[in-house]
Amino acid sequence: LAKTTQPISMDSYEGQEVNITCSHNNIATNDYITWYQQFPSQGPRFIIQGYKTKVTNEVASLFIPADRKSSTLSLPRVSLSDTAVYYCLVGGDTGRRALTFGSGTRLQVQP
Amino acid sequence: NAGVTQTPKFRVLKTGQSMTLLCAQDMNHEYMYWYRQDPGMGLRLIHYSVGEGTTAKGEVPDGYNVSRLKKQNFLLGLESAAPSQTSVYFCASSYATAGRGELFFGEGSRLTVL
Repeated sequence: LAKTTQPISMDSYEGQEVNITCSHNNIATNDYITWYQQFPSQGPRFIIQGYKTKVTNEVASLFIPADRKSSTLSLPRVSLSDTAVYYCLVGGDTGRRALTFGSGTRLQVQP
Repeated sequence: NAGVTQTPKFRVLKTGQSMTLLCAQDMNHEYMYWYRQDPGMGLRLIHYSVGEGTTAKGEVPDGYNVSRLKKQNFLLGLESAAPSQTSVYFCASSYATAGRGELFFGEGSRLTVL
């Protein structure tokens, strides 16, 4: 199983860009990288998924270098409502592999 | 659109009692999962299912049993509850494998074992 390492916490201010990096040194060839967001007392919510290079959607961008041993979630112009825990997951297309969440990164956005 | 629904949302048990958590999804997803989340921690996979009639163990399966008799339902059972099982339980489902697709989560079931 690909183990992931993320910073425990990060602080930012409204309007800033936030980059959260995840390390996954033993990522397998068929593994994808997925990021989830979790607010208190709620289940995690899908943010973005990618395999290589760059992926962008309406809420975030995901940067994956050529060696795929790390990835960076980029949140442009964060607001107070982006205060949450962010999880990086690595997994492939084999259903019998368990998907582990790790401890995540607690992002605190201040006014 | 209900998505993933968990019942009950709250439950208090005494040590040794049994109970079943029900997860229902209306998205025709093949894959379903049960996670637990302890305070300040990430989610840990208990059991999962890759289709009707199948189940598999996750990271922390001891003390739990599951069944997937119908595609839309995934039941998590505690035969003899212990205080260490006090946690928030989340059910999730996905169309594709969790590594390739999007996990849809329920709102969680908060269980306290006294």
